[in-house]
Amino acid sequence: NAGVTQTPKFQVLKTGQSMTLQCAQDMNHEYMSWYRQDPGMGLRLIHYSVGAGITDQGEVPNGYNVSRSTTEDFPLRLLSAAPSQTSVYFCASTVTSGGYNEQFFGPGTRLTVL
Amino acid sequence: AQSVTQLGSHVSVSEGALVLLRCNYSSSVPPYLFWYVQYPNQGLQLLLKYTTGATLVKGINGFEAEFKKSETSFHLTKPSAHMSDAAEYFCAVSDRDSSNTGKLIFGQGTTLQVKP
Repeated sequence: NAGVTQTPKFQVLKTGQSMTLQCAQDMNHEYMSWYRQDPGMGLRLIHYSVGAGITDQGEVPNGYNVSRSTTEDFPLRLLSAAPSQTSVYFCASTVTSGGYNEQFFGPGTRLTVL
Repeated sequence: AQSVTQLGSHVSVSEGALVLLRCNYSSSVPPYLFWYVQYPNQGLQLLLKYTTGATLVKGINGFEAEFKKSETSFHLTKPSAHMSDAAEYFCAVSDRDSSNTGKLIFGQGTTLQVKP
């Protein structure tokens, strides 16, 4: 049981380039989320998914796209990277039990946009 | 909208001293409450959570937190700090009506420094 995995660990992009951050979980969790972490701002929700084929926007969705074709995978796409997207990105997988949602986090992807 | 405030972006304590990290939430309806820890260059790990029942919650590594509805607080404490406790700590909340969406709202984080 690998939990939540993210690739790559590090990435440097030039402004305008595109890329996909990969996230996978093997816990059969329905709910998955993407957050970005910036100094002094905690974690902010980008997009989330409540199941395969269903996604919705979080607090800071602009510049990012997501899709959820399978329960296991939840990739995050940057179509045209901007320096403001330099951040650490975390994917999380959520279990809901007893009415609360405990999230399991991946190790993160550190992205720099030049 | 729900918000979470962590008082103090940096807290410094001596080894063996009491650790107190403060967290306040904004909603009038008590949410689900969490504390996460992040060690350098790692992801977030759940320390403890409050959902219902006993208001004093014990977590891993000797940490505990007390839910106080009258103060809308969920402060994290540890009686005696250890060098290995140096990390960033995040308080997070989830509205009870968001329990089926996996949405968490995080505080800004508090960096704990432990001095020898």
